[in-house]
Amino acid sequence: QKEVEQNSGPLSVPEGAIASLNCTYSDRGSQSFFWYRQYSGKSPELIMFIYSNGDKEDGRFTAQLNKASQYVSLLIRDSQPSDSATYLCAVNRGQGGSYIPTFGRGTSLIVHP
Amino acid sequence: DGGITQSPKYLFRKEGQNVTLSCEQNLNHDAMYWYRQDPGQGLRLIYYSQIVNDFQKGDIAEGYSVSREKKESFPLTVTSAQKNPTAFYLCASSKTGTDTQYFGPGTRLTVL
Repeated sequence: QKEVEQNSGPLSVPEGAIASLNCTYSDRGSQSFFWYRQYSGKSPELIMFIYSNGDKEDGRFTAQLNKASQYVSLLIRDSQPSDSATYLCAVNRGQGGSYIPTFGRGTSLIVHP
Repeated sequence: DGGITQSPKYLFRKEGQNVTLSCEQNLNHDAMYWYRQDPGQGLRLIYYSQIVNDFQKGDIAEGYSVSREKKESFPLTVTSAQKNPTAFYLCASSKTGTDTQYFGPGTRLTVL
């Protein structure tokens, strides 16, 4: 059974701070890692994907992957109240697998002014 | 604009009725998916299709049915056999050979 674990939160950070969201996974063969943002009552929106160990930056967002420790994280710099949402981590084996990611339950982030 | 549309946005159903949720995409994606999301829960896969006229059961297919007669369309029918159908239903699509999924806006189904 492939598992993707996230702390449900809520994670509360002040405006302007760095928010750190973590995700662990059980399948050592995982190759593809995704972060989605989901506002309340809305559908998930893809923020970033990462395939290689290390960091990948896109604007205020940085995804960090450590395959040896089986975790992937998302850092949000200069957090804004508009970043308040649930963040879903998704993991997949990628090529050679089913191409269907396994989703975590999400971490709720609250950015307070 | 390319994207995925789902209709209706809100749907109310009486117990014992079948209801069909629409999902259309113009992204030229081959693969399409249906998920169910309950409050505070992750996404659970109902059905998926990687090519026209073919589809596979996901983790929670019981009480649901789908068809894939056109590449652009993947409707989901929630049958009366589904015991607890009240949920948020999400349709997604992806390019063949990739696992990056893009989601539609969702349909919120409430059984009265």
